[in-house]
Amino acid sequence: AQKVTQAQTEISVVEKEDVTLDCVYETRDTTYYLFWYKQPPSGELVFLIRRNSFDEQNEISGRYSWNFQKSTSSFNFTITASQVVDSAVYFCALLLGDYKLSFGAGTTVTVRA
Amino acid sequence: GAVVSQHPSRVICKSGTSVKIECRSLDFQATTMFWYRQFPKQSLMLMATSNEGSKATYEQGVEKDKFLINHASLTLSTLTVTSAHPEDSSFYICSVATGGNTEAFFGQGTRLTVV
Repeated sequence: AQKVTQAQTEISVVEKEDVTLDCVYETRDTTYYLFWYKQPPSGELVFLIRRNSFDEQNEISGRYSWNFQKSTSSFNFTITASQVVDSAVYFCALLLGDYKLSFGAGTTVTVRA
Repeated sequence: GAVVSQHPSRVICKSGTSVKIECRSLDFQATTMFWYRQFPKQSLMLMATSNEGSKATYEQGVEKDKFLINHASLTLSTLTVTSAHPEDSSFYICSVATGGNTEAFFGQGTRLTVV
């Protein structure tokens, strides 16, 4: 069975601090996709990033960056220079060949001014 | 990416009534859509896979007679919560898989409150 673990339940930071969200996944499939979504208080899911299992290249996109380590089954996400608008629940998710998404429990990020 | 419209965004209903939630794929023909449920301060859990022209596939523990899914066209799937009770109060969100099913696009979600 596949599983996504977000060990951090809540993170609180002061504006401009960096925030790193941890995600560890389990799967026996060799082909899979990993996602990070943001869910603001309004409830909608906002797509942030996607990575496939064959691409371990880590990238930076604006204030977002991610670290995909297949050897440790981790897909961590970092917000640099956090802003109050970054306050939300962040979900890591795993997509397999059956096209179903398995979500982690979510990490609530609070950025204080 | 695909545009997914979900309606209504919020609904309050009386216990015992039924509520229908619509999920429309506006610019993509979706043979498969997914319905998720999210209880307050919890994660999203897959309820069922909606298949165009055939029966939905329900996840373990989800009552198919209570959560009726109809996917009559390539652009519309509906979820009907029948005889709703307060414990059905939740956030329901649909998604469409596209691009060889490596992308997932979500509707805006429906917050259901049963009083």
